[in-house]
Amino acid sequence: EIVMTQSPATLSVSPGERATLSCRASQSVSNNLAWYQQKPGQAPRLLIYGASTRATGIPARFSGSGSGTEFTLTISSLQSEDFAVYYCQQYYSWWTFGQGTKVEIK
Amino acid sequence: EVQLLESGGGLVQPGGSLRLSCAASGFTFSSYAVSWVRQAPGKGLEWVSVISGSGGSIYYADSLRGRFTISRDNSKNTLYLQMNSLRAEDTAVYYCAKAGSTSCCNDYFDSWGQGTLVIVSS
Repeated sequence: EIVMTQSPATLSVSPGERATLSCRASQSVSNNLAWYQQKPGQAPRLLIYGASTRATGIPARFSGSGSGTEFTLTISSLQSEDFAVYYCQQYYSWWTFGQGTKVEIK
Repeated sequence: EVQLLESGGGLVQPGGSLRLSCAASGFTFSSYAVSWVRQAPGKGLEWVSVISGSGGSIYYADSLRGRFTISRDNSKNTLYLQMNSLRAEDTAVYYCAKAGSTSCCNDYFDSWGQGTLVIVSS
């Protein structure tokens, strides 16, 4: 099983600031990497797939990068609606998720 | 607009059974693989099972040890998850999630239902 490790567990950021979230795979997943956003009481929402392609309707302030085992989700200027938990997911070999990064208001 | 609506969750005793349903609309259901993903209270996401658009390919997470059965009825645009021999650790919100493309079975999930809560407790 491919293990996905996200860091940090919690990220405290002020509105308008940049947030950088990391995700590491235990073995190469090529670019088969997605990012999801989840707010309390809601289902996950797809943000990024193919490591760097924004899903339909996702604002340009969200960007993804990386390949192989190291990936990054960047939110360029945090808006109030962006405070949430973010999960990375590999779909190279079945599906596994990271444990999540909570982005909270500083 | 793609919509996925889960139902069938509830309180069940350890060792009991439950069948979840996921009604789909807004896309050609038979063309897409669909998965079940669960989330224990306060925890992360765990993939449970996937079924291809035709139903001919089915896969499960190793941890389930044959207790769950996924199926679909393309004439009703509905996905199912039959859960048997339920344990306390199966307590979770169960989501159905649609594949992002018509290939099966290594793809991201582009649409999710709102989830249905299963509580296994005596």
